[in-house]
Amino acid sequence: QVTLKESGPALVKPTQTLTLTCNFSGFSLTTTGMRVSWIRQPPGKALEWLARIDWDDDKFYRTSLKTRLTISKDTSKNQVVLTMANMDPVDTGTYYCVRHGVVGTTGPDDLDFWGQGTTVTVSS
Amino acid sequence: SYVLTQPPSVSVAPGETARITCGGSNIASQSVHWYQQKPGQAPILVIYYDDDRPSGIPERYSGSNPGTMATLTISRVEAGDEADYYCQVWDSDSDQLVFGGGTKLTVL
Repeated sequence: QVTLKESGPALVKPTQTLTLTCNFSGFSLTTTGMRVSWIRQPPGKALEWLARIDWDDDKFYRTSLKTRLTISKDTSKNQVVLTMANMDPVDTGTYYCVRHGVVGTTGPDDLDFWGQGTTVTVSS
Repeated sequence: SYVLTQPPSVSVAPGETARITCGGSNIASQSVHWYQQKPGQAPILVIYYDDDRPSGIPERYSGSNPGTMATLTISRVEAGDEADYYCQVWDSDSDQLVFGGGTKLTVL
């Protein structure tokens, strides 16, 4: 079955760079059509998409955060990594790693499997 | 950038029908997906591509996107349906994934 799990620091200081890792199983990012996104949710607020990486290494970023974000994959480890530079307290929230639906099932523009999320607090 | 607009809250009595709307420019040309999020949990997909239901989602959940608004309809609402609901599209013009602001469904 498909699972995704996020990991990373629970606390970062302002101006630091956040690195989050998503370890997944049950699918491969070498499979044509596979896509993984990162989504975050500030406390009490709405979901916010951050970035997407595709099986062919295409990458897409939230326009307003593009200069701060980098998404990458390690297909040998079944991992997707997100870095966010110059962290600020407004970046506090829960960060989710999410798989896009697969063409032929629900996909590809929806999000069919979500990680449990990892909470990040930005504070000095 | 593309914007999706949802009402902040919808309230309904048990057994009644809840309708949650999602508006956006020319939304009928978009494929809309819906998610349910309960407190402390990750969202789950309840409707994809306007009106399809993933396996395991009750038939009481349905979606439509016929014109100016996409709508998530929950029939015969139960206490367990109380949650936040989000609509979502992939805007291919800007290559951005967009969420609505979310709607809190309260079961009275």
